[in-house]
Amino acid sequence: AQSVAQPEDQVNVAEGNPLTVKCTYSVSGNPYLFWYVQYPNRGLQFLLKYITGDNLVKGSYGFEAEFNKSQTSFHLKKPSALVSDSALYFCAVRDPGFQKLVFGTGTRLLVSP
Amino acid sequence: EAGVAQSPRYKIIEKRQSVAFWCNPISGHATLYWYQQILGQGPKLLIQFQNNGVVDDSQLPKDRFSAERLKGVDSTLKIQPAKLEDSAVYLCASSLEQGANQPQHFGDGTRLSIL
Repeated sequence: AQSVAQPEDQVNVAEGNPLTVKCTYSVSGNPYLFWYVQYPNRGLQFLLKYITGDNLVKGSYGFEAEFNKSQTSFHLKKPSALVSDSALYFCAVRDPGFQKLVFGTGTRLLVSP
Repeated sequence: EAGVAQSPRYKIIEKRQSVAFWCNPISGHATLYWYQQILGQGPKLLIQFQNNGVVDDSQLPKDRFSAERLKGVDSTLKIQPAKLEDSAVYLCASSLEQGANQPQHFGDGTRLSIL
């Protein structure tokens, strides 16, 4: 069965510093990987996805993620954090052979001024 | 383009009562999903529709939950009777197609509180 782990409940970073939010996955085949962001009292917003090809994926709002097959990871990164990036971030995986999207438990990102 | 619309935004009911949620997906999106998000957890898929047909309802508690998408556009999710553990945010999402590489677009959800 496919699964996603987000090992950190919360990540704290100062504005202007680089940020990383970690995600590891488990699927039987080649994964489709997604990152979503959720602001308070809002639905999830799509940030980026990895389907195939270049291991470094660029997405919305300056975010990028690196797919690492050997480590089964898909960490979210941003070179310079903004206070407005503070939100809840979800990693999700989908096995191409299945329809269901499985989400991690989320990581709260707190960017301090 | 208009996003996924959900109503109501908030609902408070007592246990054993019934409740219904409504979702209107992005125009032209054939695939519609209902998720349950319990506080502190990621969303969990309840049911997936492709047009007006059910693709996956394996995690829908069918003794109390039901959903329909009669005309292949908007959808309703119903709970009857509600239990305390149903307190959660119910999210609706849609995608253009049902392919596994398609990103899903979410509404703002309905926050359900059971007293």
